[in-house]
Amino acid sequence: RKEVEQDPGPFNVPEGATVAFNCTYSNSASQSFFWYRQDCRKEPKLLMSVYSSGNEDGRFTAQLNRASQYISLLIRDSKLSDSATYLCVVSHSGNTPLVFGKGTRLSVIA
Amino acid sequence: DVKVTQSSRYLVKRTGEKVFLECVQDMDHENMFWYRQDPGLGLRLIYFSYDVKMKEKGDIPEGYSVSREKKERFSLILESASTNQTSMYLCASTLGLEETDTQYFGPGTRLTVL
Repeated sequence: RKEVEQDPGPFNVPEGATVAFNCTYSNSASQSFFWYRQDCRKEPKLLMSVYSSGNEDGRFTAQLNRASQYISLLIRDSKLSDSATYLCVVSHSGNTPLVFGKGTRLSVIA
Repeated sequence: DVKVTQSSRYLVKRTGEKVFLECVQDMDHENMFWYRQDPGLGLRLIYFSYDVKMKEKGDIPEGYSVSREKKERFSLILESASTNQTSMYLCASTLGLEETDTQYFGPGTRLTVL
C-alpha cells in the first residue's frame, strides 16, 4: 500500500461547483498534513495546512480524520483559476522528509 | 519572501554526459531536497540534506549524487546521464526541522537526455 494515496482524477467541474478531494495515508504516526497546489508546468506551492479541528481559508476547507487516516479538501464556488493539481502531503515527524501523494487534477470549465 | 532558484529551466544532454543541476536558496534554510517528477509517478525524493556537507538518500538515489558545500547551495549530479533520467527535477528547502515548516520549491529543471 502506498503511503499517501489520492484519486488522480481528472475532476472536470463547471464554474461555481463544489468539489471535494480525499486522500488516505498509511502511517498512523503521521503528525502533520498539508495540501499543496501545482499549476501546469510550475512548482508546487503550499495551499494550506490541515489541522485536527479542521480549517477554512476562504472557499477552501480542509478536514482531517485521524481514526480513518484520511484528509479532505473541499473547494466551494469553483473558479477557472482553481484548475491545477492538488497534492496531499504528510509529515511523519520533523526530521523526516515530507511524503507527497501523486496529486489530483482539477479542471474547472466555463 | 523565500526564493529558491535553479540554474536552468531546460537542459538537453547526451547519454553518458556528466550533468550538474544547481539549486540556491536565499533564506538561510537548513534543509534542502532534490526530487524528480514524472507523469503518473508524482514527486519522488532523490536526496536531501539537513546541514552543510551532510546528505541522506531518499527513495530513488541510484544514478545520482549530491553536494552541499555551502548552506545555500545544493547540487544534484548525474555522473553518467541515461535516457531514463529524462524528467522534471525540483529542488526544495525548509527552514528547520519542525514538521510544520513549509517546503518551498524552485521552478524546476526539465532535463532531456538523448
